[in-house]
Amino acid sequence: DVKVTQSSRYLVKRTGEKVFLECVQDMDHENMFWYRQDPGLGLRLIYFSYDVKMKEKGDIPEGYSVSREKKERFSLILESASTNQTSMYLCAVSGPNTGELFFGEGSRLTVL
Amino acid sequence: AQTVTQSQPEMSVQEAETVTLSCTYDTSENNYYLFWYKQPPSRQMILVIRQEAYKQQNATENRFSVNFQKAAKSFSLKISDSQLGDTAMYFCAFEVSDRDDKIIFGKGTRLHILP
Repeated sequence: DVKVTQSSRYLVKRTGEKVFLECVQDMDHENMFWYRQDPGLGLRLIYFSYDVKMKEKGDIPEGYSVSREKKERFSLILESASTNQTSMYLCAVSGPNTGELFFGEGSRLTVL
Repeated sequence: AQTVTQSQPEMSVQEAETVTLSCTYDTSENNYYLFWYKQPPSRQMILVIRQEAYKQQNATENRFSVNFQKAAKSFSLKISDSQLGDTAMYFCAFEVSDRDDKIIFGKGTRLHILP
């Protein structure tokens, strides 16, 4: 199985701060994803990437950007954090079989 | 646009009982995949079961099985002999075949297995 590691389990940031959430996989898989999970809203796709330096907007990209300089690492960036970005952020990597996503443990971000 | 709807936000059942989680979806595509993912409390999301739309036979994984009704666009998950470890959020999800691994998730059903 693919191991997906997210750099921080819990973060507390102030409004206006720049926030980096990092995700690293231990396999050579192309497709990586950032989701946001909120109660009653399920998982919503923020951004995804098919390869190094490639990125595609998901359903809710506003207020976020991403970086993929190396194949194994996919970073989510909040340029200026706002309170409505308080959420659980999940990184996922697609496996060899269609639809099989491997998820990290999640990063719970609180913006004060 | 594809949508996935889970009509049961929360459910509780006694241990050893059978429980069915509902999911409906909307798409104009003919070839697609459907999934159930499980997210235990404070643990990682994992894939429980997958169904290819072109297969008429319902998928089964041990105590987990699905009832796939393509015409009705329904994809329910049945958990037999439920165990305490089945307590989790369950997400129904959809992907169009041969696309970009972009998966659409429902809003989830929180399942409590009671001792």
